[in-house]
Amino acid sequence: DTEVTQTPKHLVMGMTNKKSLKCEQHMGHRAMYWYKQKAKKPPELMFVYSYEKLSINESVPSRFSPECPNSSLLNLHLHALQPEDSALYLCASSQSPLGTSGTNTGELFFGEGSRLTVL
Amino acid sequence: SQQGEEDPQALSIQEGENATMNCSYKTSINNLQWYRQNSGRGLVHLILIRSNEREKHSGRLRVTLDTSKKSSSLLITASRAADTASYFCAIPPTGGFKTIFGAGTRLFVKA
Repeated sequence: DTEVTQTPKHLVMGMTNKKSLKCEQHMGHRAMYWYKQKAKKPPELMFVYSYEKLSINESVPSRFSPECPNSSLLNLHLHALQPEDSALYLCASSQSPLGTSGTNTGELFFGEGSRLTVL
Repeated sequence: SQQGEEDPQALSIQEGENATMNCSYKTSINNLQWYRQNSGRGLVHLILIRSNEREKHSGRLRVTLDTSKKSSSLLITASRAADTASYFCAIPPTGGFKTIFGAGTRLFVKA
């Protein structure tokens, strides 16, 4: 069982809807990530939060809006999405956002993902 | 490309056979990791090999690392139908936040 919980598992939305994806971890990790994954492709980084502050935005369109209310929670707000945004959205966490040093291996802990379909 | 490269892209074998997948990368590394992903699910960490290690074992998994060639391989011995999944190599950042993933190998094990 994964220690990163994502909800919902499946989401179908129209292009005018507003919805949110949620992610929660209780491992005390200080870095949290949103990835987008298309079929037969590796995960593609979208956002990184380090100590609850947005550290990386990989040129993601503004129709995706991340939020980190506290160190355990990560949200991804969705608005006016396009059909090409349909994908598996993965949340992940890691012990420390400071790269690999000392005992920090950089291991990522992934949730089971939210399958998003935009009609 | 920021991606590592993996080959083969897809591999189909019979149960009981061994499966080998390869990963090449371009950056310097502190460690290299392998993840498994069942269809439509999240990635699960399998094994990590540090830059000063050449080989590591975990159950039916064997990972090798050749830093001079910037390459790694993952061997799954005595494969089972339940090993059917995609396998990704991953290089965590030595600094910063961005893990580099390989393109992935899709393994299909026929019962």
